[in-house]
Amino acid sequence: KAGVTQTPRYLIKTRGQQVTLSCSPISGHRSVSWYQQTPGQGLQFLFEYFSETQRNKGNFPGRFSGRQFSNSRSEMNVSTLELGDSALYLCASSPLLKTYEQYFGPGTRLTVT
Amino acid sequence: DAKTTQPPSMDCAEGRAANLPCNHSTISGNEYVYWYRQIHSQGPQYIIHGLKNNETNEMASLIITEDRKSSTLILPHATLRDTAVYYCIVRVALTQGGSEKLVFGKGTKLTVNP
Repeated sequence: KAGVTQTPRYLIKTRGQQVTLSCSPISGHRSVSWYQQTPGQGLQFLFEYFSETQRNKGNFPGRFSGRQFSNSRSEMNVSTLELGDSALYLCASSPLLKTYEQYFGPGTRLTVT
Repeated sequence: DAKTTQPPSMDCAEGRAANLPCNHSTISGNEYVYWYRQIHSQGPQYIIHGLKNNETNEMASLIITEDRKSSTLILPHATLRDTAVYYCIVRVALTQGGSEKLVFGKGTKLTVNP
């Protein structure tokens, strides 16, 4: 079974721009979560989607948003990029009755200049 | 969620058992202990979880003390590929499905030496 895939793997953007990251979960997984990882703050939860609905949200500003499609694929968007948004963005999917068992993708490395 | 405390780093010789401790003295009765690891430049990987009984799978064993205030993850025969940051997380398990938010601490950087 194919793992979680994330595109693109690397991205360089300029401050003030916006960016969209994509995540394809493992086939059959309907829950998709997003995390941000930085050297200073570590791994931080952004939000979680299930059946196209956001069920949980972390403590991030409204510039961070996401959505999930009917095929469970998910996108996250960051508007008005700031230098501090430079991070590894990780997506994870989980089986229906085992949401604690999250399978992470390789991440998208975003650099804001 | 209960807070966890882990040593920042540990070393282990290849082929020997790696024992990674985690303190969670404020754990509640319905909170599970999860272990994840993150190998450099990869996403975190689920290892094992448990409530109060010891658990074992193909990757590791989890030993939880009787008072549940601490636990130990055991990699029985550590290899160089086990070098990673290991995260201990305490969380209520929504076994019937539902939203799950994992709160990662700083973890333990395990270095397996040849």
